Amino acid sequence: DGGITQSPKYLFRKEGQNVTLSCEQNLNHDAMYWYRQDPGQGLRLIYYSQIVNDFQKGDIAEGYSVSREKKESFPLTVTSAQKNPTAFYLCASSMGGLPGKLFFGSGTQLSVL
Amino acid sequence: RKEVEQDPGPFNVPEGATVAFNCTYSNSASQSFFWYRQDCRKEPKLLMSVYSSGNEDGRFTAQLNRASQYISLLIRDSKLSDSATYLCVVNMEGPDGQNFVFGPGTRLSVLP
Repeated sequence: DGGITQSPKYLFRKEGQNVTLSCEQNLNHDAMYWYRQDPGQGLRLIYYSQIVNDFQKGDIAEGYSVSREKKESFPLTVTSAQKNPTAFYLCASSMGGLPGKLFFGSGTQLSVL
Repeated sequence: RKEVEQDPGPFNVPEGATVAFNCTYSNSASQSFFWYRQDCRKEPKLLMSVYSSGNEDGRFTAQLNRASQYISLLIRDSKLSDSATYLCVVNMEGPDGQNFVFGPGTRLSVLP
């Protein structure tokens, strides 16, 4: 079945540690996105990529980094510079062009030890 | 002013009730519009796309008013399983690709 796979489902980070969240899709979508969701809040865009080897910062990119070496994969690294990383992280993808529906992975809950 | 605003909620309604959610957006160049449903600690799932002519899917009806920059979702005959957070999403395609903007969501609890 086609879809988006995020791993791990739960992740714990120690102070000063970088952690990487995985996102893989087999939908053949060009565009991929990372969102952060805090409790009771909406989704905020961290980074997005419209094509392999290219990506743009979203609204809250500070303390995060991404890569897009393959069409299927868009990993997100939460660096030690992100001082408040506890949140629910969602990866999404869409086919280019309108209407541009978003399809989501099941999310990763990141917590700080 | 936020780009996408929704009724603050929560909405607590009895089973069988009709409930309406409202959403407004600030960017008149927005091109496509959606309602997503999100259960607690789960990913959002597409409920409906919203078209200018209005569209209906079973108990759900969505309306778009471009002149007023307003989107609505009507749920008839509410079920317990409709309890969730409803997200209004607006999309605009620009030089850097598509820009999906999410509202903060409106939480619905359907009570027995």
